[in-house]
Amino acid sequence: DTEVTQTPKHLVMGMTNKKSLKCEQHMGHRAMYWYKQKAKKPPELMFVYSYEKLSINESVPSRFSPECPNSSLLNLHLHALQPEDSALYLCASSQDPGTSGDHGTQYFGPGTRLTVL
Amino acid sequence: AQTVTQSQPEMSVQEAETVTLSCTYDTSESDYYLFWYKQPPSRQMILVIRQEAYKQQNATENRFSVNFQKAAKSFSLKISDSQLGDAAMYFCAYRSLYYGNNRLAFGKGNQVVVIP
Repeated sequence: DTEVTQTPKHLVMGMTNKKSLKCEQHMGHRAMYWYKQKAKKPPELMFVYSYEKLSINESVPSRFSPECPNSSLLNLHLHALQPEDSALYLCASSQDPGTSGDHGTQYFGPGTRLTVL
Repeated sequence: AQTVTQSQPEMSVQEAETVTLSCTYDTSESDYYLFWYKQPPSRQMILVIRQEAYKQQNATENRFSVNFQKAAKSFSLKISDSQLGDAAMYFCAYRSLYYGNNRLAFGKGNQVVVIP
């Protein structure tokens, strides 16, 4: 099973709202990722959690706040977003690249399509 | 930092025919992983195929195969017997072998259009 789930599928929010995106995997993966993707562009890495600790933050604005409550869950808290933040937000997970048989292949969820008005 | 180049933004292929997508990359590392991901209109990124650089044998997955040329730093994807469901954006990606480097470097993508 290589399933990563994300909720909600679609989200429309105003610039003053606070919302959260949720990602879940039950593959025993110990690394989880948030990506932002604009139409017809490749995904851009935002954050990486490894063993539930934030290991990479790609200089993402503080209006995006990640959280990893446990090894299966990853949240992205959104506050005071801008219209240019409208995009597809993808979550991915992988085994520990140093020890896994699949060499840390990243498996993606279906994404949350976010629209900021 | 590694860079990945996909130079043909859009390619068309007749159903049942073969199409080849090119990918080149720049790296000073000797060991690494290469991936092709497919992203259909539903927009979920799906792993198509993976190649370990230390393996000389080209990876295959059903109708998908790669031509990995390590010296030329080339990693092309061949889709045989194209089907309507193959219509998607295809991204080539590179990942370092070294532990702790979880980053994927993506190319800009190839849009594949399948003509019935």
